[in-house]
Amino acid sequence: QVQLQESGPGLVKPSQTLSLTCTVSGGSIRSGDYFWSWIRQPPGKGLEWIGHIYYSGSTYYNPSLKSRAAISVDTSKNQFSLKLSSVTAADTALYYCARYNDYNYSFDYWGPGSLVTVSS
Amino acid sequence: ESVLTQSPGTLSLSPGERATLSCRASQSVSSSYVAWYQQKPGQAPRLLIYGASSRAIGIPDRFSGSGSGSGTDFTLTISRLEPEDFVVYYCQQYGGSPRYTFGPGTKVDIK
Repeated sequence: QVQLQESGPGLVKPSQTLSLTCTVSGGSIRSGDYFWSWIRQPPGKGLEWIGHIYYSGSTYYNPSLKSRAAISVDTSKNQFSLKLSSVTAADTALYYCARYNDYNYSFDYWGPGSLVTVSS
Repeated sequence: ESVLTQSPGTLSLSPGERATLSCRASQSVSSSYVAWYQQKPGQAPRLLIYGASSRAIGIPDRFSGSGSGSGTDFTLTISRLEPEDFVVYYCQQYGGSPRYTFGPGTKVDIK
């Protein structure tokens, strides 16, 4: 059973960089059929896909984030990470890591989420 | 940009009743690229349906999805509502820009 777990600071100051890591267990991040994704959900609102990475390092991002997002992968640790720069209060959200299954075009495993608040 | 619209925003029903949730895409999308998720309070979304009509592993058969070929209208049906089904449901599509988008959600609450 694949499990994902987010980790990182719960509070970030405005204009600084948000950093989160997702640790994958129960399966290899090197599996060829999957993309490793970040999705966020502002309190009481809907879901927004941020971006994803393939184990080779190829990335794809939501254009709405205007190049503020950067996703990296560490296959030796079975982890992938998100950095979001120049954060504002609008970036306050529950951040989920998830596995995108390229076979059935869906997000089939999710982490429990990590709440990040942007505040001074 | 391809946008998903879900209706109704809130659906008020009683346990045992049938729920019909709608998801409409602003541009035609292959049914292969449409999924549905359930989100309970304080939890991450859970995959219910992929490919518009295929149930994910462990999902009870009271959940079904429809929408065939390429189109704009997709439906999630819960045949007989159980108490744990009164939560929020999202549809999601692959394709366009951004590559993955979610609908705003439908909340099913107890009448």
